[in-house]
Amino acid sequence: DGGITQSPKYLFRKEGQNVTLSCEQNLNHDAMYWYRQDPGQGLRLIYYSQIVNDFQKGDIAEGYSVSREKKESFPLTVTSAQKNPTAFYLCASSNTIGELFFGEGSRLTVL
Amino acid sequence: AQKVTQAQTEISVVEKEDVTLDCVYETRDTTYYLFWYKQPPSGELVFLIRRNSFDEQNEISGRYSWNFQKSTSSFNFTITASQVVDSAVYFCALIRGEKLTFGTGTRLTIIP
Repeated sequence: DGGITQSPKYLFRKEGQNVTLSCEQNLNHDAMYWYRQDPGQGLRLIYYSQIVNDFQKGDIAEGYSVSREKKESFPLTVTSAQKNPTAFYLCASSNTIGELFFGEGSRLTVL
Repeated sequence: AQKVTQAQTEISVVEKEDVTLDCVYETRDTTYYLFWYKQPPSGELVFLIRRNSFDEQNEISGRYSWNFQKSTSSFNFTITASQVVDSAVYFCALIRGEKLTFGTGTRLTIIP
């Protein structure tokens, strides 16, 4: 089945550690996105990539990094520089008419 | 800059009642798309509808209907004869180019 796969679903991190969230899609979409969701704040864009080997900062990119070495994959690293990383992270890809398809999300908790 | 406002943070209705979720947007662009997404407790966002800025025709899909009015910059979503399975957080979103802006969402609870 086509779709977006995020892993892990739940992740716990100690302060000062970097963690990487995986996002894979088999929809053959060029564009991929990472969003952060906090209670009462909706979804905020972290990074997006329109094509392989290229990506752009979104509204809240500080403390995060991404790579886009393959069309299917867009991993997000939450670095120790991110001051408040506990959140729900959603990965998405979009088709040529702008419809976003989302993964099931990864919930990161900093201990 | 573009902005999407969903003023209703939480709504609760009794099953079988109709309910309307409001969405107001701001953009300087003349060409844009509006979306509604549903986020059930599982977390995954589910696409419901896409509407472009040149198409103000209202749409009905089963118990769901959407009212797009450019004059008031609104794209409201109505659920008729609500069911418990409709309980979720609903997001309105605006896209122009590669940037999608979401509202803060409305949590809808259907009481059996």
